[in-house]
Amino acid sequence: ETGVTQTPRHLVMGMTNKKSLKCEQHLGHNAMYWYKQSAKKPLELMFVYNFKEQTENNSVPSRFSPECPNSSHLFLHLHTLQPEDSALYLCASSPDGSSYNEQFFGPGTRLTVL
Amino acid sequence: AQTVTQSQPEMSVQEAETVTLSCTYDTSENNYYLFWYKQPPSRQMILVIRQEAYKQQNATENRFSVNFQKAAKSFSLKISDSQLGDTAMYFCAFMDSGGGADGLTFGKGTHLIIQP
Repeated sequence: ETGVTQTPRHLVMGMTNKKSLKCEQHLGHNAMYWYKQSAKKPLELMFVYNFKEQTENNSVPSRFSPECPNSSHLFLHLHTLQPEDSALYLCASSPDGSSYNEQFFGPGTRLTVL
Repeated sequence: AQTVTQSQPEMSVQEAETVTLSCTYDTSENNYYLFWYKQPPSRQMILVIRQEAYKQQNATENRFSVNFQKAAKSFSLKISDSQLGDTAMYFCAFMDSGGGADGLTFGKGTHLIIQP
């Protein structure tokens, strides 16, 4: 059991819905990440927050909107998604944005877009 | 941009055998870090081992060790005395030394199955 939790664990939504994914870490970390894991593709980095500042937006469509209100919480707001957005969305955290630091992952949210 | 290639989509070995998972990467950076992550069926990704590119000595963690060949840009993972609990997806990952702002670049993964 790591100190990174994600809710919900499973989500099914229509293309016109608006939903949010939540990530919470209890490790005292200052950097948080969103990754997308699709079948037969490498994990793709989506967003990085370091000390609550967004430092990376990896060419993610605007229908994905991140929010980091504090160092412990990270949200991914979803609206007007496409079926190809169905994937496992993983949140991770690390002490800070340093390269050497291990990233601790949450269990993921399995998203299905109908 | 960095790329990470894992050429073995799936491997299967008997319990107690030794298995090696391959990983190659492409980068123009000289300083960077390499990682192997494990994702068991429960899907919680955990770090197995990491290697700093400036260190010539291969990293080891109990039954896990790496063979890091910087010139060849190769970073294989060896699992000795494999156990049933080693069954998982294994991902090779890269991060340059410029900071975690770029996050990790992952390979597609190798599904390792340990047979009883």
